[in-house]
Amino acid sequence: SQTIHQWPATLVQPVGSPLSLECTVEGTSNPNLYWYRQAAGRGLQLLFYSVGIGQISSEVPQNLSASRPQDRQFILSSKKLLLSDSGFYLCAWSPGLAGSYEQYFGPGTRLTVT
Amino acid sequence: AQRVTQPEKLLSVFKGAPVELKCNYSYSGSPELFWYVQYSRQRLQLLLRHISRESIKGFTADLNKGETSFHLKKPFAQEEDSAMYYCALTRRGNTGKLIFGQGTTLQVKP
Repeated sequence: SQTIHQWPATLVQPVGSPLSLECTVEGTSNPNLYWYRQAAGRGLQLLFYSVGIGQISSEVPQNLSASRPQDRQFILSSKKLLLSDSGFYLCAWSPGLAGSYEQYFGPGTRLTVT
Repeated sequence: AQRVTQPEKLLSVFKGAPVELKCNYSYSGSPELFWYVQYSRQRLQLLLRHISRESIKGFTADLNKGETSFHLKKPFAQEEDSAMYYCALTRRGNTGKLIFGQGTTLQVKP
C-alpha cells in the first residue's frame, strides 16, 4: 500500500536561517506531488506541484522553492526564512493519471520562525 | 478566477441535529468537487467527491451547478463528526491541483 512521510514533524528556526522539509512517497510510481501551507483562518494554500522529476510549478510568489530530485521525493526549501513563513506545511500525492484526483496527505510539519 | 468559499468558520450543533456545511465555488468550466475532513490529530483525508454520488459516514453532498454550490449535509450529527471540513475544487486534467476553501470547524455538542 502507498504511504507518505514528512519530516521533521516540528521545527523552530530563527529568521534568516535556511529551511529544508522533506516528503517521500512509498508504494507508487510517478505520482503527482504537492506542497500546501495551512494557515489558521486561511485554509490550505497550494504552494508547489510537480508532475515529474525536475518538473516544478509554483502557484504563488514567495520566499520558498521546491525540488523533486527523485520520483518519490519532494523537498521544500528556503535560503532565508521570514517570520511570515511560519505555518503548517502539508505534502500530498495523487496518482499521475487523468481522472484520479484524490490526494493523499502526509502528517505535516509545524514550522515556527522566531 | 477559480475560488472556493466556505462562509462559516465555525458551525456548532447539538448531537442529533441536522448539519449543513456550506460551500460555494466559482469556476468557468466543468469542475470536480470534493470534501476533505481532518479529525483531531489525524491527517487530512478525502470524505467524498461529487462524481461518486455516495454517502460516507452519513454525509452527502450534491453539486448544484445553477447555484455553484456543493453543500455537505448530514441529517443527524454525531459527536465523532466534530472536525475541520474543507471543500475543494479541481479542474480535470493531469495536474490534479486542488483549490481549497478556508475550512469550517464542525463542533457537535453532546
